[in-house]
Amino acid sequence: DLVLTQTPLSLSVTPGQPASISCKSAQSLQQSDGKTFLYWFLQRPGQSPQLLMFEVSRRFSGVPDRFSGSGSGTDFTLKISRVEAEDVGFYYCMQGIQLPYTFGQGTKLEIK
Amino acid sequence: QVALRESGPALVKPTQTLTLTCTFSGFSLTTRGMCVSWIRQPPGKALEWLARIDWDDAEYYSTSLKPRLTISKDTSKNQVVLTMTNMDPVDTAIYFCARTAEAVHYAMDVWGQGTTVTVSS
Repeated sequence: DLVLTQTPLSLSVTPGQPASISCKSAQSLQQSDGKTFLYWFLQRPGQSPQLLMFEVSRRFSGVPDRFSGSGSGTDFTLKISRVEAEDVGFYYCMQGIQLPYTFGQGTKLEIK
Repeated sequence: QVALRESGPALVKPTQTLTLTCTFSGFSLTTRGMCVSWIRQPPGKALEWLARIDWDDAEYYSTSLKPRLTISKDTSKNQVVLTMTNMDPVDTAIYFCARTAEAVHYAMDVWGQGTTVTVSS
């Protein structure tokens, strides 16, 4: 199975400050047609996960534009330009180029 | 709008078979590009993908759990059923079903609220 490694595993951010989470894959997530199957999810405390980004950088419906995704091949980053209180929770990257899907270990974001 | 809801027993005994049902609305599993996935989350741990069934009846499973899992669909009832045999306390988790759609590159774009399953004698 394809291993995804997230760093850091936790971060504490002052509201209004940026945050960045890295996700590294053991293999390229880019298909021959150029599509890259890397997604980001947020799981707020006590809630189900919600889709934030698909195809690395495409924001899902309703996701604020302070969230952005970047990267290619095996290295990816989720950035929050200005963290807000509602952004607390666990962030997971997931790959979909190869079944079974696999998730990263999760990154806990908390507010200072 | 799209919605999914998981149902099943809250408590199962070791060695028993777990049967979970995902009842959904707002989309059809006969539509090309539509799929339903099951994902679980043990207490305090990360998400783990379990299985997916597609509009064309294709089935995909977790490598490690494949011998124990079966996923099926009833399109007339808008339901997807996941069975897991030989349950063990390590299978204690919240089990989620989620729509998985070609439009978002087969990401899980709408999730149910999850159902908690405890395995204990």
